[in-house]
Amino acid sequence: EDQVTQSPEALRLQEGESSSLNCSYTVSGLRGLFWYRQDPGKGPEFLFTLYSAGEEKEKERLKATLTKKESFLHITAPKPEDSATYLCAVQAVRETSGSRLTFGEGTQLTVNP
Amino acid sequence: NAGVTQTPKFRILKIGQSMTLQCTQDMNHNYMYWYRQDPGMGLKLIYYSVGAGITDKGEVPNGYNVSRSTTEDFPLRLELAAPSQTSVYFCASSYSGVGWEKLFFGSGTQLSVL
Repeated sequence: EDQVTQSPEALRLQEGESSSLNCSYTVSGLRGLFWYRQDPGKGPEFLFTLYSAGEEKEKERLKATLTKKESFLHITAPKPEDSATYLCAVQAVRETSGSRLTFGEGTQLTVNP
Repeated sequence: NAGVTQTPKFRILKIGQSMTLQCTQDMNHNYMYWYRQDPGMGLKLIYYSVGAGITDKGEVPNGYNVSRSTTEDFPLRLELAAPSQTSVYFCASSYSGVGWEKLFFGSGTQLSVL
């Protein structure tokens, strides 16, 4: 069974204080790993797709990296508007296009001004 | 551009009642999904559809039914509601083919079964 574990569950940072969120996964053949952002009362919003170990993607203050066992979401000099829950998801190669993503429980990030 | 629209936003049901959660998208996406999100748990796939007339079960389909008669609409039917179905329900859609994993989510329906 595919599993995704995110840590920490919650993270509180001061504005400008860089940190990383972790996503550990167990899947029989990784097709892709995905990061989403979810604001309170809203649906998740897509951030990144990573397909192979060593791959990196960047968007503003966020950088996602991937190894064979985990992914990190690095947040550089965060701002209060980066406060959200960050979700990680994986898809196994056995899953067909348009089917299931396995989501982790998320990391709730709070950035204080 | 509305994207994915879900109605209602909130609903309280009594045990044994039935209801339909509505979902419509205006992006001409072939793929559509229903997920549920419980506190402290990841999103779980209930049903998905790769096109009009085609639906398939996800991870947690029991107690739910879906239909897909048009590209735009993907309603989720709850029959004989149970307290275990108290959750936040999200509908999503995506392109087919390359990049399908970029899901566009609606804002959710918060359902309580009492």
